[in-house]
Amino acid sequence: DTGVSQDPRHKITKRGQNVTFRCDPISEHNRLYWYRQTLGQGPEFLTYFQNEAQLEKSRLLSDRFSAERPKGSFSTLEIQRTEQGDSAMYLCASSPTPRGRETQYFGPGTRLLVL
Amino acid sequence: GQQLNQSPQSMFIQEGEDVSMNCTSSSIFNTWLWYKQDPGEGPVLLIALYKAGELTSNGRLTAQFGITRKDSFLNISASIPSDVGIYFCAGPRNNDMRFGAGTRLTVKP
Repeated sequence: DTGVSQDPRHKITKRGQNVTFRCDPISEHNRLYWYRQTLGQGPEFLTYFQNEAQLEKSRLLSDRFSAERPKGSFSTLEIQRTEQGDSAMYLCASSPTPRGRETQYFGPGTRLLVL
Repeated sequence: GQQLNQSPQSMFIQEGEDVSMNCTSSSIFNTWLWYKQDPGEGPVLLIALYKAGELTSNGRLTAQFGITRKDSFLNISASIPSDVGIYFCAGPRNNDMRFGAGTRLTVKP
């Protein structure tokens, strides 16, 4: 399967713990995006990478959140000192350099529950 | 926050019926995308529209990019049970993708 993959698919943690999610984009896709989705809403943008450079961060991305894409391939999203409000689906997407035809392909998501 | 408004919020239809849903924005988008999301999964791209007035089909799905570039609609013909899910419109804004809140479709056999 050459689609976007995410790991783990589900994570349950206690408030205050740190969690880390991984995303493997479609190979050769330069751009990688992280989104958060809560129940009844569409995905909301968190951050994006062009190769290994993190080029934009949403105001939703508090200082407890950090994302990396060290070699321009897979990416990790870490949440420190989790809060109950962090419970959501975290989605990763990738796209080739758009050249005027922006399209993003999503992974299956990591569902986080903070108790 | 969301800049795309989808309607209706939900639809309950009988198998075999046609479905129409739309998406509007107060600002112009140069690309409109339609995604479908099943429970517990990520959104799957259905149709991409890149030109105002463009009408594109993908099997039983047809989508149009409005002339004003502020709206788009998605039609599903002859619905089947596996069409059940949430349909999102989306458009790129700067370097991120903005999504509507979705239209939840239920198909009764």
